[in-house]
Amino acid sequence: EVQLMVSGGGLIQPGGSLRLSCVASGLTVSKNYMIWVRQAPSKGLEWVSVLTSESGSYYADSVRGRFSISRDNSMNTLHLQMNSLRVEDTGVYYCARENPPHGMDVWGRGTTVTVSS
Amino acid sequence: SYELTQPPSLSVSPGQTATMTCSGTNLGDKYTSWYRQKPGQSPVLIIYQDFRRPAGIPERFSGSNSGNTATLSISGTQATDEADYYCQAWDSNNVIFGGGTKLTVL
Repeated sequence: EVQLMVSGGGLIQPGGSLRLSCVASGLTVSKNYMIWVRQAPSKGLEWVSVLTSESGSYYADSVRGRFSISRDNSMNTLHLQMNSLRVEDTGVYYCARENPPHGMDVWGRGTTVTVSS
Repeated sequence: SYELTQPPSLSVSPGQTATMTCSGTNLGDKYTSWYRQKPGQSPVLIIYQDFRRPAGIPERFSGSNSGNTATLSISGTQATDEADYYCQAWDSNNVIFGGGTKLTVL
């Protein structure tokens, strides 16, 4: 079964850091486009970052310079390092897989990040 | 930056066809995907490459894309189709989501 397990969320003060992880089973992270998407409370989906199969990394303007996407091929895991967190970074963070242009066909369950003092 | 615009809400009666739009400049030149999200759940891919359905998605769901508008249609709408629906496209190496349409089945 193809699955993505997301973890690492929690309550963090503004300015703090968190590292999210997305462990894949049934697919190889390095051979896919791996994407982080977030959703603020009662809001829509917002793209955060993508790591391509060619190792290109791209970020939304709202997180560029603060967030960093990476993968550990030996652990078949995608990471999102989030630094200088802001209140507006609060939300549920999902990881997803895509082989463009076939859509994001596999999604993890999401982990909640709450940035608050 | 590229934007996708969706109407925030749509109401239909059971059995009717729900038609949702997603607008963006020359969107027809890009591939559009559609996702359904129910409360408390992760999004689910229902249409990719404008009109293709992943395995397990009923034929009631169909899509098209031309000019500046992509369209998702749900025929024979059921109460279980109540959800938020998001369109998505790639602009260069950026993923773009529409703001979502909340479908209510009255």
